Amino acid sequence: QVQLVESGGGVVQPGRSLRLSCAASGFTFSRYAMHWVRQAPGKGLEWVSVLSYDGSNKDYADSVKGRFTISRDNSMNTLFVQMNSLRAEDTAMYYCTRGGLQPYDAFDIWGQGTMVTVSS
Amino acid sequence: DIQMTQSPSSLSASVGDRVTITCRASQSVTSYLNWYQQKPGKAPELLIYTASSLQSGVPSRFSGSGSGTDFTLTISSLQPEDFATYYCQQSYNTLRSFGQGTKLEIK
Repeated sequence: QVQLVESGGGVVQPGRSLRLSCAASGFTFSRYAMHWVRQAPGKGLEWVSVLSYDGSNKDYADSVKGRFTISRDNSMNTLFVQMNSLRAEDTAMYYCTRGGLQPYDAFDIWGQGTMVTVSS
Repeated sequence: DIQMTQSPSSLSASVGDRVTITCRASQSVTSYLNWYQQKPGKAPELLIYTASSLQSGVPSRFSGSGSGTDFTLTISSLQPEDFATYYCQQSYNTLRSFGQGTKLEIK
């Protein structure tokens, strides 16, 4: 079945780095834009980043621009986000989501999330 | 960036009630407005896309309407499994902003 499985979360000290992964299965990963969305404990959803189907176009929320880097390996059906210079306010559940085949498409598939805690 | 504002932030209702949640965009998003449902401890799920299209598998008691800057999500007859938090999201802009959420609670 269509599935996204995130991994790589954990507890990290402020200023350190972490790399999250999202393994896709059940669909042709290389055809879809992919996004990261996060949710701080008890808070709402915050869009983080997008990467086009071929990796040629990407964008970031202002809150993570310059610190996070999104990438993908279409041969491995995997999405990544490299998170550097982590701050306490980056503490959140991080979800990988499937964008659509078209630029305006909604997020129709979500992973279960991986928790990142930034704390000394 | 496009700001999304939902109202109310929380809502108490009873099984069988008809409820409406509104979402307003800071600029026109034409019809590129989506609604998600999130239950505690779970990932969000897509309910409605492009303002009024029902995602496959979503019960017909859910409906969406609106265009431009003003949108609504309506649940025609609340069921116990509908008590959750609902988010709107614009997909007009690459930076896909969400509303702050509406928590629907049992009265």
